[in-house]
Amino acid sequence: AQKVTQAQTEISVVEKEDVTLDCVYETRDTTYYLFWYKQPPSGELVFLIRRNSFDEQNEISGRYSWNFQKSTSSFNFTITASQVVDSAVYFCALSLRKTSGTYKYIFGTGTRLKVLA
Amino acid sequence: GAVVSQHPSWVICKSGTSVKIECRSLDFQATTMFWYRQFPKQSLMLMATSNEGSKATYEQGVEKDKFLINHASLTLSTLTVTSAHPEDSSFYICSAVGAGSYGYTFGSGTRLTVV
Repeated sequence: AQKVTQAQTEISVVEKEDVTLDCVYETRDTTYYLFWYKQPPSGELVFLIRRNSFDEQNEISGRYSWNFQKSTSSFNFTITASQVVDSAVYFCALSLRKTSGTYKYIFGTGTRLKVLA
Repeated sequence: GAVVSQHPSWVICKSGTSVKIECRSLDFQATTMFWYRQFPKQSLMLMATSNEGSKATYEQGVEKDKFLINHASLTLSTLTVTSAHPEDSSFYICSAVGAGSYGYTFGSGTRLTVV
């Protein structure tokens, strides 16, 4: 089965708190990509990160950090010192190569993050 | 770089009419474009995949005659919702992949309301 699970439907935090958004994926493919996107109320999808299956190195970008663990099939996203502007829906996604050569892109159900002032 | 422009950003149409949504890659050639549909507070569901110059591949349950997709050039794909009904009201968003584009780049989406 190929699936992305974001168990947290909605999270509320107070500004300046750290928050971690969980993502668990399922695939039997050995080559795949994982993504995180931010969707603010306006609707557009803002690309945050792409990670390929062979690169388990964690990444930090400003207040954002990602923890990729193949052993647990997880790709968690942490926002440090959250801000009100971080309020949005965050999607984790899995990209798999199809036999046709194109890619299949599977989204999680999203986590709605509310950062309260 | 790797910008995808989607137009219109929102549209209201009468039931029974057709609506065309455009997805353009502005600074790269998109060999593949994807069309998604998103209902309120739900995830994105892939509708179809289109490769330039060939017929689109539709996901199971998506009506080909209802949602016409054309990918006539490396920079433009269109989705036409034919004979729209209120249940077609949704947020439609495209993404594009091509040489030089990093990851999957999405358009800004189109909010369709059928009245």
